[in-house]
Amino acid sequence: GQQLNQSPQSMFIQEGEDVSMNCTSSSIFNTWLWYKQDPGEGPVLLIALYKAGELTSNGRLTAQFGITRKDSFLNISASIPSDVGIYFCAGDAGGTSYGKLTFGQGTILTVHP
Amino acid sequence: NAGVTQTPKFRILKIGQSMTLQCAQDMNHNYMYWYRQDPGMGLKLIYYSVGAGITDKGEVPNGYNVSRSTTEDFPLRLELAAPSQTSVYFCASSFSGTGNTGELFFGEGSRLTVL
Repeated sequence: GQQLNQSPQSMFIQEGEDVSMNCTSSSIFNTWLWYKQDPGEGPVLLIALYKAGELTSNGRLTAQFGITRKDSFLNISASIPSDVGIYFCAGDAGGTSYGKLTFGQGTILTVHP
Repeated sequence: NAGVTQTPKFRILKIGQSMTLQCAQDMNHNYMYWYRQDPGMGLKLIYYSVGAGITDKGEVPNGYNVSRSTTEDFPLRLELAAPSQTSVYFCASSFSGTGNTGELFFGEGSRLTVL
């Protein structure tokens, strides 16, 4: 099946620092999504990207849909303690795969006050 | 707003036992999904449903069964529990699998341990 390689696996940063994580795939996706999971909760959608090259922001978060449609990145600026959690990229290949997301392995973010 | 509700939140099973994880959504979503989450592995799709009476296998369906008799409910059944099924299970729903949505709404998860 399709696989997404997400990196880094974990990050330990100081409050106020910027964060960058990315996701790559060997196959094309029509939609890229970034989710965040807080401890003991289910993932929650942060940003959705629908077009190659698209750059979208949501507050301090910025994500881009790679031109090749095989990669995406997420940036978090000026991190705060509540940014702690696991961040997942996810891709939707469309076609017969519509609605079935492939998830990356996740990036565990720790923010030190 | 209840959203997606999963029960139970925690369960310990003995090898060979069976159980059903319940999932209900009140958002009138067509699509529903079951994922399992193992440490460092992300989420893997077990089964999904595009509407009442329609179900299909995901990436890791072996050892599981589902049914979708109503739009609201999508239970996941484990017939003969095995240690490899120790995981956190997430139910999710979306309005449609098509179009510019892609947003899945997840439940809080059910942590299952098989000993």
